[in-house]
Amino acid sequence: DAGVIQSPRHEVTEMGQEVTLRCKPISGHDYLFWYRQTMMRGLELLIYFNNNVPIDDSGMPEDRFSAKMPNASFSTLKIQPSEPRDSAVYFCASRPPQYRGQYFGPGTRLTVL
Amino acid sequence: QKEVEQDPGPLSVPEGAIVSLNCTYSNSAFQYFMWYRQYSRKGPELLMYTYSSGNKEDGRFTAQVDKSSKYISLFIRDSQPSDSATYLCAMSSQGGSEKLVFGKGTKLTVNP
Repeated sequence: DAGVIQSPRHEVTEMGQEVTLRCKPISGHDYLFWYRQTMMRGLELLIYFNNNVPIDDSGMPEDRFSAKMPNASFSTLKIQPSEPRDSAVYFCASRPPQYRGQYFGPGTRLTVL
Repeated sequence: QKEVEQDPGPLSVPEGAIVSLNCTYSNSAFQYFMWYRQYSRKGPELLMYTYSSGNKEDGRFTAQVDKSSKYISLFIRDSQPSDSATYLCAMSSQGGSEKLVFGKGTKLTVNP
């Protein structure tokens, strides 16, 4: 299996621009999670989906952040408008049914200037 | 008190040493315990997965869970320079939220 796939791997943008991060989970996994990682705050859960349905978005920092999962093999995290404090590494993770371990993608390193 | 506490280190050991990494937690509902390894500029990699109390061994790695003390450990025997990474503990309760609660991670360096 290819593992969780994320794109782009690096993104540099200017403040105010829209940013879209993409994730393809592992086939057969029914949960998908979006995280943000910074040195100061560590790994923070933003939102998670079960069978394409958002279950808990309490970690989404502001209305500028939105996430969708239109089908079992694709999810997006969008930031509009982006701000410098959004600079972080964003990870997507998925997990199979009846198992609590999550499998992480390689991450997207976002820099907002 | 944070739900999960993990000493950030850094921890530096010579090659071949036995490494002990630990986390404490406060939520007695936690039943699933994991250790992740994260190399620099990479995603976290699931290393060990245990349910409830006890030990689990996988090669040079041993995970221990002591629920009575709310304390989990990861031991690395015969440590290698390739073990240099940040190790994060993670845990989850049975039922309820599907979230994992992560420690902040311990940075380990194994010196040749």
